[in-house]
This record gives sequence, C-alpha cells and structure tokens, in this order.
Amino acid sequence: AQSVAQPEDQVNVAEGNPLTVKCTYSVSGNPYLFWYVQYPNRGLQFLLKYITGDNLVKGSYGFEAEFNKSQTSFHLKKPSALVSDSALYFCAAVYSSASKIIFGSGTRLSIRP
Amino acid sequence: DSGVTQTPKHLITATGQRVTLRCSPRSGDLSVYWYQQSLDQGLQFLIQYYNGEERAKGNILERFSAQQFPDLHSELNLSSLELGDSALYFCASSLRDLEGEQFFGPGTRLTVL
Repeated sequence: AQSVAQPEDQVNVAEGNPLTVKCTYSVSGNPYLFWYVQYPNRGLQFLLKYITGDNLVKGSYGFEAEFNKSQTSFHLKKPSALVSDSALYFCAAVYSSASKIIFGSGTRLSIRP
Repeated sequence: DSGVTQTPKHLITATGQRVTLRCSPRSGDLSVYWYQQSLDQGLQFLIQYYNGEERAKGNILERFSAQQFPDLHSELNLSSLELGDSALYFCASSLRDLEGEQFFGPGTRLTVL
C-alpha cells in the first residue's frame, strides 16, 4: 500500500544551524514527491517537488530536498535555519497510477533564537 | 495570498445537520481538491475535480459529496454531521492534475456541536 512517513513529530534547531526534516515513502510505483509548509492559521504553501532528474531539488525560502531512491527518502534540508522557518512541514507523495495523493503526518519545526 | 478563496471562514452547526463549503480556485486552474485536517487524522485528501469531472477520490465519506461547476468553483457538501466531522477543511487548486503544485485556500473551520 502507498504510504508516506514523517518519523519525527517535532524537530528543534538553533537559528543558524542546518536543519533536516525527514520523509520516507513506499515504493509502490514511482511517486512524485512534494514538500509543503503550513504557518499558523494558514493553508499549506508549496515548497518544492521532485518528479525526475537531479536528486537534489531546490525550492522556496532556501529549502532543498534530497531524493534517495535506495532509501526511499525525500528529506527536506536547509543550510542555515531562521526563526521564521518555524512552522508545520508536510511531505506528500502523488501516485499517478492510483490517482492518489498522500500526506505525511507532519513535522513541527521549531527554530530557537 | 494563494488566489484560492473559501467561504465561510468559520461554521458552527449541530449534529445531524447539513452544510455546504464553497471554494473558488485560482484563475486558470482546472483542478480543485478538498482536504480535511484534524488533530487525530492529520491531513486527509478527500476528492479531486478536474474541469468539472470527478478525477480522484480519497478518504471521502458517503455522507460527503462535492461538485465542480462550469465556472470551476466547487462546493463540498457535508450531511448528517457528526461530532467527529469537526475539522479544518481546505480547498486547493492546481493548473492541471495531481503532479502539479497545489495552491491552498485559507480553510473553513467546521465545528459540530
């Protein structure tokens, strides 16, 4: 069955340090992979997506994600965290053959000054 | 501002009632998606419409239904409401299909008493 896992409910990082938010997906099919961010009392905003090609995808606000087929992972990264990055982050997989989109459970990122 | 509008912002109703949530997609977008976000279930994909036709179905209950009109706005109808239907309901739109980035509206918060 198709699934997306975000193993960490919360990630805490000091401002200026690198951050990683983890995501793994099931290998049923070759999904398109997405990251979205949700700020308090707002809808989700698109950060980046991977369809094919270069394993390192660059997105909005200085975020990037690394696709690793052997580990079925699509971790979100940023070299230097900002306090304003504090938000809820969702990984999502689109399984076109099944016409389905699945979101992970979300990871709350907290950046301390 | 994503360009996606949702009305109403808040809705309070009683068990057993029926409500209609409305969504206007971004100009030019052909697909509309509906999601339910709750603390216990996370973000659940309900249904997608593409240019007026149902395209993909997620975890949508039989008590719920949706449609997309010729002007591409969409409505989500929730009937025989239960306490557990209390949640934030998001609409999103994309240019074409599931492989594209989605633009989310601000959501409708439904409270069932």
